[in-house]
Amino acid sequence: KAGVTQTPRYLIKTRGQQVTLSCSPISGHRSVSWYQQTPGQGLQFLFEYFSETQRNKGNFPGRFSGRQFSNSRSEMNVSTLELGDSALYLCASSQGLQKQETQYFGPGTRLLVL
Amino acid sequence: AQKITQTQPGMFVQEKEAVTLDCTYDTSDPSYGLFWYKQPSSGEMIFLIYQGSYDQQNATEGRYSLNFQKARKSANLVISASQLGDSAMYFCAMRGIYTGTASKLTFGTGTRLQVTL
Repeated sequence: KAGVTQTPRYLIKTRGQQVTLSCSPISGHRSVSWYQQTPGQGLQFLFEYFSETQRNKGNFPGRFSGRQFSNSRSEMNVSTLELGDSALYLCASSQGLQKQETQYFGPGTRLLVL
Repeated sequence: AQKITQTQPGMFVQEKEAVTLDCTYDTSDPSYGLFWYKQPSSGEMIFLIYQGSYDQQNATEGRYSLNFQKARKSANLVISASQLGDSAMYFCAMRGIYTGTASKLTFGTGTRLQVTL
């Protein structure tokens, strides 16, 4: 099976712009979770989508949003970018049916905001 | 709330030796799962091993084993016969079952492991 894929791998944006990141889960996985990783804050949970519905949300401002399509692919959008949004954004997929199942991560998208 | 503590920011180990990476946790969930992930410099988080809170035996996956001591709330990762390719950041993470954020992984700050010749 192919692993989790994320596009693009690298992005450079300027403050005030918006950005959309994409994540394709492992085939058959219906849950996609997003995480932000920064040197200062570490790994933080953004949100989780399951069957096109947001099932959980972390403590991030409303500028961070996401959606999931019927094929389980997910997109994450950040509007009005700030310098502090520079980070590695990781998505993880799982079947979403059992609470102890493993999440498998993609390679991440490195976002730099100038 | 859940919390993971990794007190070793960096570790060195010689090739072919074993190394233990420490992880302690705190949670109010009666049932939970503990995970270890490896993150090379490329950025991808690679799943290594899982331990359920009610599992009777410590988990093992090849050269990786998890030393789970529930009463002490510790879940240390043991890597046997270290290889140069093991050089990476290692993250301990946990997830509860009965809280509303059961799908959310809580991560520690990580330990950077460097394997030397």
